Amino acid sequence: EVQLVESGGGLVQPGRSLRLSCVASGLTFDDYAMHWVRQAPGKGLEWVSGISWNSDSIAYADSVKGRFTISRDNAKNSLYLQMNSLRDEDTALYYCVKDKGYCTGGRCYSDAFDIWGQGTMVTVSS
Amino acid sequence: QSVLTQPPSASGTPGQRVTISCSGSSSNIGSNFVYWYQQLPGTAPKLLIYRNNQRPSGVPDRFSGSKSGTSASLAISGLRSEDEADYYCAAWDDSLTKVFGGGTKLTVL
Repeated sequence: EVQLVESGGGLVQPGRSLRLSCVASGLTFDDYAMHWVRQAPGKGLEWVSGISWNSDSIAYADSVKGRFTISRDNAKNSLYLQMNSLRDEDTALYYCVKDKGYCTGGRCYSDAFDIWGQGTMVTVSS
Repeated sequence: QSVLTQPPSASGTPGQRVTISCSGSSSNIGSNFVYWYQQLPGTAPKLLIYRNNQRPSGVPDRFSGSKSGTSASLAISGLRSEDEADYYCAAWDDSLTKVFGGGTKLTVL
């Protein structure tokens, strides 16, 4: 069974940092791109960041660009999100998500988010 | 304000057919696939429809997706009480970011 387990969330003051981790099991981790998606309390889903299987391609939402850094360690089947200069509006449940991906014409593309973790809660408050 | 536009709520009675719309632009829905996610209360989202109209294994054929131009829709036929959930549309944008709709809360009356 494919499983994604997040950790590292907690209560943090504005301006401080936090590092989220996600460990994957039941899949060949380095075959897939991975992403972080967040959901503020009572709100909708927001894509935060994504990273290709070999870390060559990385993208961020404008709302976190310059403050958050995504990374992965394929040897440890792990995905990370380093969050700096945290703001009140970063308060959310952060999901680790697997990209289904597909390849055609010799190129591969990001696709559906087919496996989701249970999330780790980040609360930014003084 | 979400990039993709969905109605905040929808409702239907058991057995009925319900559709949920999703509107975007030429840079997202207009040029890329549409995805639909179902989020049951208190749980993580689940992939419901991918690449406009494909169902993952295990998703009942009561759920179907379609796309036309810069809009898409999710149809649920034979509505059941367990379909009560939040539904989100999503698409990749040409800027290589993924955009979501604001979500539609489906109530089964």
